[in-house]
Amino acid sequence: KQEVTQIPAALSVPEGENLVLNCSFTDSAIYNLQWFRQDPGKGLTSLLLIQSSQREQTSGRLNASLDKSSGRSTLYIAASQPGDSATYLCAVRPGNTDKLIFGTGTRLQVFP
Amino acid sequence: EPEVTQTPSHQVTQMGQEVILRCVPISNHLYFYWYRQILGQKVEFLVSFYNNEISEKSEIFDDQFSVERPDGSNFTLKIRSTKLEDSAMYFCASSETLAGQETQYFGPGTRLLVL
Repeated sequence: KQEVTQIPAALSVPEGENLVLNCSFTDSAIYNLQWFRQDPGKGLTSLLLIQSSQREQTSGRLNASLDKSSGRSTLYIAASQPGDSATYLCAVRPGNTDKLIFGTGTRLQVFP
Repeated sequence: EPEVTQTPSHQVTQMGQEVILRCVPISNHLYFYWYRQILGQKVEFLVSFYNNEISEKSEIFDDQFSVERPDGSNFTLKIRSTKLEDSAMYFCASSETLAGQETQYFGPGTRLLVL
């Protein structure tokens, strides 16, 4: 059974820092992995999708990497800003299934 | 930019009542999903829907739940007889295809409280 874990559970950093959020999954047979942002009481905003054949994807200050064989993904946020404060979720789509399996998230706070 | 919309944003109901949660997926998308998130817990998959039928469902999606696409734009989740443990945020999502590479886009959610 696929399990998705995110470390750390919470992170508080000063503005301007570069930071890395980690996601691990137990079964490497995945179609893709998505990173989402969730603001308190709100929906999920898709940030990046990495296909199983890709190693990384970039969007602005965000860079996500995928090492499928070791069951790991990282989300790198460069030059963090207070507006980046949110919970970041990773989700994997296992092979031969429609669903996404989510981790518990990393709650990020960036203070001025 | 196209987005998934959901109504209502909040719903309060009495245990045993029926509720219908509504979603309008992105217009050219063909695959639709419902997920839920109980407060403080992970987002969980409920069901996926394609070509007017359920494609996949989780063990949570029992006989109390049903989904429907009543017209060309709406996608609904019905809970026939709500229980206290159905209290959660319910998210609708859609994707353009199911080619294995497609992003699922999520709506803002409906917060359901069962009293």
